[in-house]
Amino acid sequence: ETGVTQTPRHLVMGMTNKKSLKCEQHLGHNAMYWYKQSAKKPLELMFVYSLEERVENNSVPSRFSPECPNSSHLFLHLHTLQPEDSALYLCASSQDNYENTEAFFGQGTRLTVV
Amino acid sequence: AQSVTQLGSHVSVSEGALVLLRCNYSSSVPPYLFWYVQYPNQGLQLLLKYTSAATLVKGINGFEAEFKKSETSFHLTKPSAHMSDAAEYFCAVTTRGGTGGFKTIFGAGTRLFVKA
Repeated sequence: ETGVTQTPRHLVMGMTNKKSLKCEQHLGHNAMYWYKQSAKKPLELMFVYSLEERVENNSVPSRFSPECPNSSHLFLHLHTLQPEDSALYLCASSQDNYENTEAFFGQGTRLTVV
Repeated sequence: AQSVTQLGSHVSVSEGALVLLRCNYSSSVPPYLFWYVQYPNQGLQLLLKYTSAATLVKGINGFEAEFKKSETSFHLTKPSAHMSDAAEYFCAVTTRGGTGGFKTIFGAGTRLFVKA
């Protein structure tokens, strides 16, 4: 496989459930990101990891917990979510987090909280 | 901090017509600017990026964008629209993050409709 792969593609969970989103990149990149894409809202950056260290937490509620065990994998652990958390969650990676570096995106996980 | 504004949440053109998607940036320093495209049920894909080497940047699928400092603009164009161009387009800029690295900030997006 090449590129950025996200699993699952679709997830429906109740507000009391705990689930995890997984992202894997096969590009040898050193930076990884979680974005949230909601209808009628701009793409929101949630977390940034560089060399497996979290370098940005964009005021995300604690019910979202990221984990980056190595430079190829990124997880987003979810617990006690709210219906307004329903959105498309996009993972991305880049060679580094320098100014001129473009991001490569996965296809996203469509999350529905019921 | 740098930011981008996309003018028009929806643009509709006929097949074969010129495509023009507008983006203005706000930056106190020379910015690095990007255009991404998102097809339905997909992630974002880079179309092109401006890194100050040339003001006219050519990207994939026949798209290009011109950096105009005097207008603080980075509009995306394509001479002749194709049905397959129907998608959402995002202008983006990198800005300094909280711990010294950079992060990408996206505009609100413009959805392009192409009529047969």
